[in-house]
Amino acid sequence: DTEVTQTPKHLVMGMTNKKSLKCEQHMGHRAMYWYKQKAKKPPELMFVYSYEKLSINESVPSRFSPECPNSSLLNLHLHALQPEDSALYLCASSQDSLSGGLVETQYFGPGTRLLVL
Amino acid sequence: GQNIDQPTEMTATEGAIVQINCTYQTSGFNGLFWYQQHAGEAPTFLSYNVLDGLEEKGRFSSFLSRSKGYSYLLLKELQMKDSASYLCAVETRSGNTPLVFGKGTRLSVIA
Repeated sequence: DTEVTQTPKHLVMGMTNKKSLKCEQHMGHRAMYWYKQKAKKPPELMFVYSYEKLSINESVPSRFSPECPNSSLLNLHLHALQPEDSALYLCASSQDSLSGGLVETQYFGPGTRLLVL
Repeated sequence: GQNIDQPTEMTATEGAIVQINCTYQTSGFNGLFWYQQHAGEAPTFLSYNVLDGLEEKGRFSSFLSRSKGYSYLLLKELQMKDSASYLCAVETRSGNTPLVFGKGTRLSVIA
């Protein structure tokens, strides 16, 4: 089973709204990731959680707030977003974020397509 | 710094073979991945290479030359459903980003 699930599939929100994106995996992976992807561009890393602790924050604005309640769940809380934040938000997981030089395959969820009006 | 290059677009005929190249200059190279991404969907894992040589998996094969900083993805017996973007991604041990993606190659398979 290499499934990562994400909800919702689509989200439309205004600039004053607060919403959350959810990601779940049951593969026993200890690393989870949030990526942002604009049309015809590669995914851009936002955050990495390793063993439920935030290990990488790629200078993401504070209007995006990640949370890792447990090893299977990853949330992304959204507040006061801008129209340019409209994108596909992808969650991924891997066994570990980079353990002992072993190659870590990241498995992606289906993504949440976000539109900010 | 990290730099990954791959062609922006390619077109190939159904039933044919196509090779998508990827060159990279990165520090702390750990391995190279190929992902397939259909429009509006998430990337799906195709293959990874750590050592030099060819890895074959059904209709898809991936090759790596670490000394040349070069990889290719070979797709045989092309089908219409293979029309997608193919992302080359390098896993690095250095820097902040564990996986660095190329810009992707949009492959169109035509009849």
